Amino acid sequence: GAVVSQHPSWVICKSGTSVKIECRSLDFQATTMFWYRQFPKQSLMLMATSNEGSKATYEQGVEKDKFLINHASLTLSTLTVTSAHPEDSSFYICSARDGPTQETQYFGPGTRLLVL
Amino acid sequence: GENVEQHPSTLSVQEGDSAVIKCTYSDSASNYFPWYKQELGKRPQLIIDIRSNVGEKKDQRIAVTLNKTAKHFSLHITETQPEDSAVYFCAASTRNQFYFGTGTSLTVIP
Repeated sequence: GAVVSQHPSWVICKSGTSVKIECRSLDFQATTMFWYRQFPKQSLMLMATSNEGSKATYEQGVEKDKFLINHASLTLSTLTVTSAHPEDSSFYICSARDGPTQETQYFGPGTRLLVL
Repeated sequence: GENVEQHPSTLSVQEGDSAVIKCTYSDSASNYFPWYKQELGKRPQLIIDIRSNVGEKKDQRIAVTLNKTAKHFSLHITETQPEDSAVYFCAASTRNQFYFGTGTSLTVIP
């Protein structure tokens, strides 16, 4: 089946620094990738939809200048948390569809971010 | 936008019993309803899905039913086993985006 990877899996950083998270589709081309955020014992909250070659579409309440998304190729999308603060600490998960008309989303393993 | 509600938030069953998790959605345009299982610290894994043109789907011990008129769908797990213990999320897809339910923490007691 379709495989999605994420890197890094775990990151600790100081407040004020920026952190980049990569999401890759390993065996398929993903025209659309999705970024989610998950707090402990809570559901996945869709942050943004990333389309290859165009600007990401952000959900209401998600700061686009805070969470920069780039989808430069059909196999890579990046999420950069700029000037991270402790409240940005969370589990970030990406997902991808293996085709523009496919509905099933395949999730990456997630990135756990801890901002001190 | 879409609003997905999921109940119950926690569920404990004896091994061998059945478990039922229910979800409702608000957007009648939603046409794809997957269910994901997530173990602690791991990625969600698709376990079953159903499309709006189908009322029921079964895969071994897992089944999903959909009532489009009432805008609700349910996950049924029969003959539960300890390894079924996890958090289960329903989702409704509209305009190619997923909106997840709040999750159900299922514990299967041996």
